[in-house]
Amino acid sequence: AQSVTQPDIHITVSEGASLELRCNYSYGATPYLFWYVQSPGQGLQLLLKYFSGDTLVQGIKGFEAEFKRSQSSFNLRKPSVHWSDAAEYFCAVGAGFSGTYKYIFGTGTRLKVLA
Amino acid sequence: ETGVTQSPTHLIKTRGQQVTLRCSSQSGHNTVSWYQQALGQGPQFIFQYYREEENGRGNFPPRFSGLQFPNYSSELNVNALELDDSALYLCASSSEAEFLAKNIQYFGAGTRLSVL
Repeated sequence: AQSVTQPDIHITVSEGASLELRCNYSYGATPYLFWYVQSPGQGLQLLLKYFSGDTLVQGIKGFEAEFKRSQSSFNLRKPSVHWSDAAEYFCAVGAGFSGTYKYIFGTGTRLKVLA
Repeated sequence: ETGVTQSPTHLIKTRGQQVTLRCSSQSGHNTVSWYQQALGQGPQFIFQYYREEENGRGNFPPRFSGLQFPNYSSELNVNALELDDSALYLCASSSEAEFLAKNIQYFGAGTRLSVL
């Protein structure tokens, strides 16, 4: 079955520290992978996406993610976290079947940033 | 800005009532998907409309229904509301090219529904 796992429900980092949010997926074909961020009371903003090619993708706000097929992972990283990065982060796989295309989301990781 | 607008922002209903949530997409976005995000969870796929017809459904009962209109707006209707229907409802749209290429979807800010 197709699924996305984000093992860390909460992560706390100090401002200026590096960040890595983990994401593992289960999908039979080549996955389309996404990271979204959701601030309190807001919708989902796309940070970055991977479809094919270079396995290290760059996104907005200084984020990057690396696709590792052998580990079925798509971890999100940022070298230096800012207080404004505090939010909830969702990893998703784009799944197509029978003409439908939908996102399968993980349960999210809530990031807290200490001043 | 994603160009996807949802209304209302917040809504309070009582159990057993019916509710209609609305979504307005960018011009040319003829694919719309609806997701339910319960508190502390990731969004769950409800259904998708493509060219005004339902194009796929997730694990949601028939009391969840939808409509898509030619002017790139759409509705999510929920009948016989239950307490567990309390959630943030998100719509996401894309153009036909993006849909066929299995590309990205653009999300609205959502409607928060509370069922008492």
